[in-house]
Amino acid sequence: ETGVTQSPTHLIKTRGQQVTLRCSSQSGHNTVSWYQQALGQGPQFIFQYYREEENGRGNFPPRFSGLQFPNYSSELNVNALELDDSALYLCASSLEGVFGSPLHFGNGTRLTVT
Amino acid sequence: GQQVMQIPQYQHVQEGEDFTTYCNSSTTLSNIQWYKQRPGGHPVFLIQLVKSGEVKKQKRLTFQFGEAKKNSSLHITATQTTDVGTYFCAASSGNTGKLIFGQGTTLQVKP
Repeated sequence: ETGVTQSPTHLIKTRGQQVTLRCSSQSGHNTVSWYQQALGQGPQFIFQYYREEENGRGNFPPRFSGLQFPNYSSELNVNALELDDSALYLCASSLEGVFGSPLHFGNGTRLTVT
Repeated sequence: GQQVMQIPQYQHVQEGEDFTTYCNSSTTLSNIQWYKQRPGGHPVFLIQLVKSGEVKKQKRLTFQFGEAKKNSSLHITATQTTDVGTYFCAASSGNTGKLIFGQGTTLQVKP
């Protein structure tokens, strides 16, 4: 069983730039959720993708966008980076349609915006 | 939107002491999940509770779901240094199955 993998592990960007983060879901999982975790905080839900469509969104501005591909992998794009976007970005895969299907998280991408 | 509140935010215990973290919601929850995040790591699923009044045990960990399905607790008996980390509760938002996390309780264990 292949776990959730994220790339890159670390990234440093300048304010105003754009960034793309990537996630490969665990084998057999068809749903990907993205979370932002600031230091000392709980993960904040950004959005979820199922069948290549956005399936719910948290309280994040439109400059946060995503994609899901036919193989269930996913990308998170953030435009016009702000200093407050510095955080750990976690991708989690799960099985939609299975009530309470637990989230399987990747190791995350640590984004620093300077 | 739905929120879950966790207390305490931090807990320092001596190895061998017990530890409890509480999770509360103002709305009825369909289910609740618990995760553990080690320092520098990612959240790892521990357990899910679904039924009113449900109690589940995993070795020294005991998880409870309140009768009204508005609160939950995680109790660790005789803590060990391997228990160090942040414990999160997470609840489904409406019928969507998307999980909303609490702020977490960070446990430090002194050997």
